[in-house]
Amino acid sequence: AQSVTQPDIHITVSEGASLELRCNYSYGATPYLFWYVQSPGQGLQLLLKYFSGDTLVQGIKGFEAEFKRSQSSFNLRKPSVHWSDAAEYFCAVARNDYKLSFGAGTTVTVRA
Amino acid sequence: DGGITQSPKYLFRKEGQNVTLSCEQNLNHDAMYWYRQDPGQGLRLIYYSQIVNDFQKGDIAEGYSVSREKKESFPLTVTSAQKNPTAFYLCASSIVRGTSYTSTDTQYFGPGTRLTVL
Repeated sequence: AQSVTQPDIHITVSEGASLELRCNYSYGATPYLFWYVQSPGQGLQLLLKYFSGDTLVQGIKGFEAEFKRSQSSFNLRKPSVHWSDAAEYFCAVARNDYKLSFGAGTTVTVRA
Repeated sequence: DGGITQSPKYLFRKEGQNVTLSCEQNLNHDAMYWYRQDPGQGLRLIYYSQIVNDFQKGDIAEGYSVSREKKESFPLTVTSAQKNPTAFYLCASSIVRGTSYTSTDTQYFGPGTRLTVL
């Protein structure tokens, strides 16, 4: 079954520092992968998605993610974080039946 | 503005009462979904619907019911049979272009409803 693992429950990063969030997936065929962000008490906002093609995907808010088939990973990165990036981040993989499987999420805290 | 609305934002109910959460979208999306979010568990799919008058159970459908009488609306009822209903509920929608996930578009989410059962 398709599944997603986000190994880091919580990450703290200084404002202006780089950020990398890890995501590993389990899926037999070509995966369709997503990163969403959720501010406290809010819905999920799509940051970026990978369906095919270039393995480096650019998203909104300065985020990018790289698909690495050999490592079954789809890690999210941002070169310089802003205080407004403090949120919970979810990686998801599309299953072959219109459904998404979500990881448990990584909470990002940004310190001044 | 196009989007997904969920109401109310906060909902309190007594144990044993059924409660219905509203989800409306004006994106002209075919598919709609209900998820439940609990701390540390990510999102889990409750029900989904690809077309009007049709819906399927997700991974945790027990104690929930839905209807899809209109394309833009997909209400969720949390019944008294749901053992632990207190949670954050998220509705989403997407375009369905064909018969496989490769044909569907991204899921877009509403702002959520936080249900607390007292």
